[in-house]
Amino acid sequence: DMKVTQMPRYLIKRMGENVLLECGQDMSHETMYWYRQDPGLGLQLIYISYDVDSNSEGDIPKGYRVSRKKREHFSLILDSAKTNQTSVYFCASGGNSGNTLYFGEGSRLIVV
Amino acid sequence: GEQVEQRPPHLSVREGDSAVIICTYTDPNSYYFFWYKQEPGAGLQLLMKVFSSTEINEGQGFTVLLNKKDKQLSLNLTAAHPGDSAVYFCAVSPDTNAYKVIFGKGTHLHVLP
Repeated sequence: DMKVTQMPRYLIKRMGENVLLECGQDMSHETMYWYRQDPGLGLQLIYISYDVDSNSEGDIPKGYRVSRKKREHFSLILDSAKTNQTSVYFCASGGNSGNTLYFGEGSRLIVV
Repeated sequence: GEQVEQRPPHLSVREGDSAVIICTYTDPNSYYFFWYKQEPGAGLQLLMKVFSSTEINEGQGFTVLLNKKDKQLSLNLTAAHPGDSAVYFCAVSPDTNAYKVIFGKGTHLHVLP
């Protein structure tokens, strides 16, 4: 089906609460990504995962951690959310090096 | 590391006019180049992927030009229509880590009827 599914799509949390954003893909892609999108800043890479338990920091990893226990699932965790983590988060998956990225529809997180 | 500059950030054109979006990058060893389209409330979808030297690629209603000498990637929407209204992103994969994809900041295109 070539689909990347993100849950939840919308989330409101209080400052200091934990946040779990989940992402699934049905393409057996090895590589998965978490980006955040903010107005005027475009897409910023938070973490990249090359396969199960093989994760690497992106450009803005501070305040985030990830988990990849199955190839088809990649989770983004915010321990003690901050107001500046209010954003739209996108998960993507890709096959081999240089391949097209397939994006989910985004998870809009508001931290109050 | 690689940096990608995209301009303009906002672009309004009338239906039937052309629209040009330009990206410049810094790493001369970059190998893969992409244009993505993002419609409101949705994720990004690939428009075109290019690699190799100076190259013109034609899609449905648009042309992509890669000029490696000037480290420039452009998207030209010919005869734009309202359905082209979206945010467009260029993206570059540096040769040193082709899994890493670096995006421009996006261009909001509005096509007025």
